[in-house]
Amino acid sequence: DGGITQSPKYLFRKEGQNVTLSCEQNLNHDAMYWYRQDPGQGLRLIYYSQIVNDFQKGDIAEGYSVSREKKESFPLTVTSAQKNPTAFYLCPPHNEQFFGPGTRLTVL
Amino acid sequence: RKEVEQDPGPFNVPEGATVAFNCTYSNSASQSFFWYRQDCRKEPKLLMSVYSSGNEDGRFTAQLNRASQYISLLIRDSKLSDSATYLCVVNMGGNSGNTPLVFGKGTRLSVIA
Repeated sequence: DGGITQSPKYLFRKEGQNVTLSCEQNLNHDAMYWYRQDPGQGLRLIYYSQIVNDFQKGDIAEGYSVSREKKESFPLTVTSAQKNPTAFYLCPPHNEQFFGPGTRLTVL
Repeated sequence: RKEVEQDPGPFNVPEGATVAFNCTYSNSASQSFFWYRQDCRKEPKLLMSVYSSGNEDGRFTAQLNRASQYISLLIRDSKLSDSATYLCVVNMGGNSGNTPLVFGKGTRLSVIA
């Protein structure tokens, strides 16, 4: 996976619970991103961070939160405010080159 | 107008056929262009970057027309293993790697024996 770790690969949660998705990289990249993919759709940008302690909202940030306390880590929290959280979540650390395996979140 | 638009597909072609995918983008300031391949329930994988001069990698040829804001991907001699969804991707920033990508919805290709 080229130094990107997203865990777990599959995640199940009950409706109304917050859940945090992990994204770790050991590639020393400044920028990290979170995208979401729904069936039959392209990837849509949730949040991104170009430097530690700073992040920007993407196109669909509502119902999500992030933190960037360390260069290596960019966790995404899916809150209960997110209306349709079931999706495939991807976190490439350095755009364009490669993606990690992603996390499939299913909210029951 | 959507930022990146692709042929909706699906494309069902016989083995050995040549197939072309088209893509248009809305932001004329876009800097970098890519084609990704995505297999079912897998993450996207970079297939090739697209340059103004055009570029070729084996059976795959990518072209960029900046004046028309148009990108294409040609696959020659299709193989069964080419069956996947092909995503057109644009980086609208100037510093590749530090600005977000914009994805098309993808075109599904099925190569049939």
